[in-house]
Amino acid sequence: QKEVEQDPGPLSVPEGAIVSLNCTYSNSAFQYFMWYRQYSRKGPELLMYTYSSGNKEDGRFTAQVDKSSKYISLFIRDSQPSDSATYLCAMSEIPGAGYSTLTFGKGTMLLVSP
Amino acid sequence: DAGITQSPRHKVTETGTPVTLRCHQTENHRYMYWYRQDPGHGLRLIHYSYGVKDTDKGEVSDGYSVSRSKTEDFLLTLESATSSQTSVYFCAISDGTSGRTDFGPGTRLLVL
Repeated sequence: QKEVEQDPGPLSVPEGAIVSLNCTYSNSAFQYFMWYRQYSRKGPELLMYTYSSGNKEDGRFTAQVDKSSKYISLFIRDSQPSDSATYLCAMSEIPGAGYSTLTFGKGTMLLVSP
Repeated sequence: DAGITQSPRHKVTETGTPVTLRCHQTENHRYMYWYRQDPGHGLRLIHYSYGVKDTDKGEVSDGYSVSRSKTEDFLLTLESATSSQTSVYFCAISDGTSGRTDFGPGTRLLVL
């Protein structure tokens, strides 16, 4: 079993739809949870990051973490064609040294059609 | 955009040649990382640095070395490039307090 599982998609939705992207993980030591957006041939762009369980909202994006189920989600409301990209989940433990090595899912490709 | 630049952005080289990729940051962050991204594998950590001259290995460090002589620069060297090192290489930085990690634009390397 991989440490972080993420459905690769592609996930195709019409403009305006609510999108749900998910990752599951096996390492109970993960404490920081992140979502990155990556456009084709570009670097990953940090969208959201959360510490431990709970919800965090930023505009049309909501990140949700359920540590008891080892499950994280990213919801996108009112999806736009410009949201078409690959979405990567990432996680890290909290070492005392302050660095943050990330474990990534393989990414989900999202296509939003006009 | 986080102040991260990578050079070169594209490179084609031959098997057996040494290759050095450079990451430069203007954020004065203490921590720097090199990841590679491959289809079917996602992003994997090669090496990281927790200060000038302080580095450590990541998940896929075989065949790679790194150096950090200044806070702003982190170099990744492929000692003798192999076709399996054809990949997209990303540099990343973090400040160690906010919990966020930002990535550079990437270097596409093709080893023939």
